[in-house]
Amino acid sequence: KNQVEQSPQSLIILEGKNCTLQCNYTVSPFSNLRWYKQDTGRGPVSLTIMTFSENTKSNGRYTATLDADTKQSSLHITASQLSDSASYICVVSWGNYNKLIFGAGTRLAVHP
Amino acid sequence: GAVVSQHPSRVICKSGTSVKIECRSLDFQATTMFWYRQFPKQSLMLMATSNEGSKATYEQGVEKDKFLINHASLTLSTLTVTSAHPEDSSFYICSANGGGRDTDTQYFGPGTRLTVL
Repeated sequence: KNQVEQSPQSLIILEGKNCTLQCNYTVSPFSNLRWYKQDTGRGPVSLTIMTFSENTKSNGRYTATLDADTKQSSLHITASQLSDSASYICVVSWGNYNKLIFGAGTRLAVHP
Repeated sequence: GAVVSQHPSRVICKSGTSVKIECRSLDFQATTMFWYRQFPKQSLMLMATSNEGSKATYEQGVEKDKFLINHASLTLSTLTVTSAHPEDSSFYICSANGGGRDTDTQYFGPGTRLTVL
């Protein structure tokens, strides 16, 4: 069964600290993996997208990694800001028609 | 580029009425749009895939007669929730594949909060 699991479910950190979110997937055939940021009451916004051959990709203070062998990905947030408070969703695209499998998300709260 | 809008952003309606939600790709043409539903603290669940000029493809368990989808043009798809009930209250989000070379990325709209009384 195609699944995407994220951990932790929720996380609280202090402003300025770093954090790492995890994503494990069992999706086949794998096409690509994306990380989205979703603010409360808003639609998801793409942060990074990685294909099978890419190990890491950065977008400002966000750095995503992908290990296609172990089927794991992580999203590292550096020097967190209050505006980083949101849900971060790991999404795996599979098959020929790029269907998306969504993780449940990690709810990040950055406190001053 | 690749902006997707939804209208309305929130709607409150009485049980038994129908509600139409619009999804527009503002600066690109989208042959395929997707409709998702998201309940509180849960992830997005795909409801249906909407293709311009043809019938939508619904996911298992989604009633096509209740959730009517029309994709009449390359920039507009609509979702009509017919005879809405309180259990239909949810956050509805559409997305569209990016135009041009960016067809692998889905761009999401801001969502529509539906509350059925």
